[in-house]
Amino acid sequence: QVQLQESGPGLVKSSGTLSLTCAVSGDSISSTHWWTWVRQPPGEGLEWIGEIFHSGRTNYNPSLESRVTISVDTSKNHFSLELKSMTAADTAVYYCARDTFLSYWGRGILVTVSS
Amino acid sequence: DIVMTQSPDSLAVSLGERATINCTSSQSVLYSANNKNYLGWHQQKAGQSPKLLIFWASTRESGVPDRFSGSGSGTDFTLTISSLQAEDVGVYYCQQYYTTPYTFGRGTKLEIK
Repeated sequence: QVQLQESGPGLVKSSGTLSLTCAVSGDSISSTHWWTWVRQPPGEGLEWIGEIFHSGRTNYNPSLESRVTISVDTSKNHFSLELKSMTAADTAVYYCARDTFLSYWGRGILVTVSS
Repeated sequence: DIVMTQSPDSLAVSLGERATINCTSSQSVLYSANNKNYLGWHQQKAGQSPKLLIFWASTRESGVPDRFSGSGSGTDFTLTISSLQAEDVGVYYCQQYYTTPYTFGRGTKLEIK
């Protein structure tokens, strides 16, 4: 069974950089799937951040593109998210998921930006 | 960006009755080369991560009860729950994956009447 698990700090300082990792089990990150990050501010809807293929090809949301980097580590079977210059508006639950249509989701990790 | 508009924002339905949620995209998500609609539906229960119910507009994900069905093509889509169960309470989102940035509707909150 495919499982995804986010990990990283739950608190980031304003203007700092968020670094999250998504560990994949039950599937190879080198398989023919895209690997995705989505976020959800408290009490709000879903926002697509971006995606990566195992080759390293990426697609990003233009609204975040200047601040975001998604990378993949095939040896560890995980992929990562880096978001720079964090502000209060970036406070959200961050999810990792598989495929463009988000067939499997992680449980999510709440990231709060502190001043 | 493709804008996804869901209606209604909230919906209260009696147990055993039909629930219908609509989703409209600002441009077609039908890819003519393969005749597939790049439209999915996700269910999010309170305190949980979303769960995929439907992809390609009408294909039910494995393990999803057959009371859930998706229909529509082009720009207009519908999620139908044929006989509402108590465990169906939550927020439902449509999502287009036709072109990046992939986008979601604002969600429809489904409750028991």
